[in-house]
Amino acid sequence: QSALTQPASVSGSPGQSITMSCTGTSSDIGNYDYVSWYQQHPGQAPKLMIYEVSNRPSGVSNRFSGSKSGNTASLTISGVQPEDEADYYCSSYTSGTTRVFGGGTKLTVL
Amino acid sequence: QVQLVESGGGLVKPGGSLRLSCAASGFTFSDYYMSWVRQAPGKGLEWVSHISYSGNTRHYEDSVKGRFTISRDNAKKSVSLQMNSLRAEDTAVYYCARYYPYNYLDYWGQGTLVTVSS
Repeated sequence: QSALTQPASVSGSPGQSITMSCTGTSSDIGNYDYVSWYQQHPGQAPKLMIYEVSNRPSGVSNRFSGSKSGNTASLTISGVQPEDEADYYCSSYTSGTTRVFGGGTKLTVL
Repeated sequence: QVQLVESGGGLVKPGGSLRLSCAASGFTFSDYYMSWVRQAPGKGLEWVSHISYSGNTRHYEDSVKGRFTISRDNAKKSVSLQMNSLRAEDTAVYYCARYYPYNYLDYWGQGTLVTVSS
């Protein structure tokens, strides 16, 4: 069982905004601003999309944004595009095992 | 550009051993922590281990403690994962990644598949 809880799937039509959640506890998301998000297309390596809750690495589209409230982090994709269809994983520092991932959310662009 | 290339994966019997390697290029290797993350077939990501700049600090996921050993050679710009007493549940693609300590993994290799089966 994953330490962080993500919905198994979300979907949206091109141009829509979608938000996916990542729920942890006071031992991870709730206590540290070290939340990151990764995009993974089938057969490919994960790619960093968001770090430290809301920062975008160079080269990542500004359509991707992150936020956090309490023990829950969120990833929002504004104006979702077909190429955004992928699996998305959240991750957080945790005082217990140092780093945990969510189970992943599959984004389907209708 | 940053490149991470894993090698050493393969088929091994339960109880066997395997050593994974990751060759790094395009950045000052000794300035970064490094990490191994795995992904079982059809499953999510799981952090396995990480190692500090000089190798003095190493952390492991609970299920691999005592069986896996991470090490690095800064002169050769490589990080390794020695895996002993392998179990079926260790079957996964193993990714090498550059790691900002306790924060995020910004570059990943393409992964190497480890299959533990009789």
